[in-house]
Amino acid sequence: EAQVTQNPRYLITVTGKKLTVTCSQNMNHEYMSWYRQDPGLGLRQIYYSMNVEVTDKGDVPEGYKVSRKEKRNFPLILESPSPNQTSLYFCASSLGGQPQHFGDGTRLSIL
Amino acid sequence: AQKITQTQPGMFVQEKEAVTLDCTYDTSDPSYGLFWYKQPSSGEMIFLIYQGSYDQQNATEGRYSLNFQKARKSANLVISASQLGDSAMYFCAMRVLPVAGGYNKLIFGAGTRLAVHP
Repeated sequence: EAQVTQNPRYLITVTGKKLTVTCSQNMNHEYMSWYRQDPGLGLRQIYYSMNVEVTDKGDVPEGYKVSRKEKRNFPLILESPSPNQTSLYFCASSLGGQPQHFGDGTRLSIL
Repeated sequence: AQKITQTQPGMFVQEKEAVTLDCTYDTSDPSYGLFWYKQPSSGEMIFLIYQGSYDQQNATEGRYSLNFQKARKSANLVISASQLGDSAMYFCAMRVLPVAGGYNKLIFGAGTRLAVHP
């Protein structure tokens, strides 16, 4: 089954404790992206990757890091999480200009 | 500036009736794509329908149709014969090409929450 898998689905953690949200897709898609969703703001792009070892900032990259060492994986790293990064996070992948496939989301709470 | 505007924070509709969710967009790029996604209470994002800026006809997918008015820069979603399962948040999104290159960046509107009443 074609899918984008994010882990964990839910995480409650504390300020400053490094965390990684994993994202994996099994569709051989070149393009992957991370978004955060906040009430009244819709989804905003954090980082995207056009292919292995090619990443770039989206609209709200501050406080986040990403890497793309393999085509299927695109982890999101919060080196020193802060409460303003409490949000719902989505990973997405696509092939060219096709509609993006989204993961089920990761709900992150930082106390 | 590239932007998507959804002016209806919430809508409700009676079951079996049609409903229109509004979306206007702003871009100076002649090539763009418009998408609608559904987000049920479980949280996942479900792709519904796509319209390319050069498409001559309005897109349709089952009970969903996209009323594309290019001159007005609007891309309204029409859901016909609403069902209880259509209750969800709906997002309009636009695909743009970043100035620095790359592709497939999506800009989302704030969303419209639809409630279908029996």
